[in-house]
Amino acid sequence: RKEVEQDPGPFNVPEGATVAFNCTYSNSASQSFFWYRQDCRKEPKLLMSVYSSGNEDGRFTAQLNRASQYISLLIRDSKLSDSATYLCVVNEQAGTALIFGKGTTLSVSS
Amino acid sequence: EPEVTQTPSHQVTQMGQEVILRCVPISNHLYFYWYRQILGQKVEFLVSFYNNEISEKSEIFDDQFSVERPDGSNFTLKIRSTKLEDSAMYFCASSVGTASSYNEQFFGPGTRLTVL
Repeated sequence: RKEVEQDPGPFNVPEGATVAFNCTYSNSASQSFFWYRQDCRKEPKLLMSVYSSGNEDGRFTAQLNRASQYISLLIRDSKLSDSATYLCVVNEQAGTALIFGKGTTLSVSS
Repeated sequence: EPEVTQTPSHQVTQMGQEVILRCVPISNHLYFYWYRQILGQKVEFLVSFYNNEISEKSEIFDDQFSVERPDGSNFTLKIRSTKLEDSAMYFCASSVGTASSYNEQFFGPGTRLTVL
């Protein structure tokens, strides 16, 4: 069974904090890895793809450890607008099913 | 910016009735998908569609479900005889193709299905 596990949270942090989310996946055949963001009752939206060497997009840094089947997302200098649910997503190959974790909820307060 | 659209935004139906959820994928995309999300649970894959046929389906996608691309723009999900447990948000998604750089699946805003 293909599973993606995440700590559901919630993570409650003040503005400006750094927060890290972790995720593990069970399917060793997974080839593509993503973090999606989902606001309440809205559709998932791609935050960033995760590459083997790790990658950064502004305040967001993603890391992948294929040996441990572990993915992480680091958010620096949290903003109020970062409040959302962050979904860890894996994919065996393009054109096939995305496998979603249940998501980690982040609440950033002023 | 091109986007996936879905109609209706909210559908209420009686148990046992048939419903059709409609989606218009992004125009140059070749792969189409349906996902569902029961309230408070994770997003679950239902089916993918390519070249006018189902390319992959999950165990959720049983004989009660069917998909169709009736014309060059629409992609529909039909639930033949709805059950209470079909109540969920249904998301349509599309992607360009299979090259890794075109792997992103773009999601529509969803149709909230309520079965009474």
